[in-house]
Amino acid sequence: DSGVTQTPKHLITATGQRVTLRCSPRSGDLSVYWYQQSLDQGLQFLIQYYNGEERAKGNILERFSAQQFPDLHSELNLSSLELGDSALYFCASSATFGAATPYGYTFGSGTRLTVV
Amino acid sequence: AQSVTQLDSQVPVFEEAPVELRCNYSSSVSVYLFWYVQYPNQGLQLLLKYLSGSTLVKGINGFEAEFNKSQTSFHLRKPSVHISDTAEYFCAVDGGSQGNLIFGKGTKLSVKP
Repeated sequence: DSGVTQTPKHLITATGQRVTLRCSPRSGDLSVYWYQQSLDQGLQFLIQYYNGEERAKGNILERFSAQQFPDLHSELNLSSLELGDSALYFCASSATFGAATPYGYTFGSGTRLTVV
Repeated sequence: AQSVTQLDSQVPVFEEAPVELRCNYSSSVSVYLFWYVQYPNQGLQLLLKYLSGSTLVKGINGFEAEFNKSQTSFHLRKPSVHISDTAEYFCAVDGGSQGNLIFGKGTKLSVKP
């Protein structure tokens, strides 16, 4: 157990629908990062939050949004889902801003999203 | 902008043989480099990292990597692999001011008996 909790582990939904993925960071970590892993694109950085504030955006579609709550858990919202959104979505956390910390990032086990 | 290239998408090797997984990076600033391992159906686990100091970095499970600034490389090595090392390995560079990790496309290591 890495200490980063992601729910649900698996999600199957239809095109056009909206889903919410949840992430609880490791205790004491203030930064949360979201990544999408697909066979063709590899690991793509989506978005980062630090202590409730958005800090960096990567290749995140406008149909996707995220937020980090006061208790530091984060949610990634995916709407108007398309077949191409099927992927593994990972959340990672770190103690500070950036990855150059004693522990680097700690990853959750991911949510596998299948859009049918 | 930083980028990472993993030159081999798949590396098959026999058990107890040595292995090297290659990683080259592109960065105009000081770099922090990482190797992560992903076992089937699991998240990524940190193997080792280079932040500063000695260019030879030792990690978990007997892996080590050498930072070579002139070659802009950070190759991962293990002198003798086990079946249990079968996994996908990702090299990553710290995105600097953006604060996120930039990953390579990964190398699938397949250890055969």
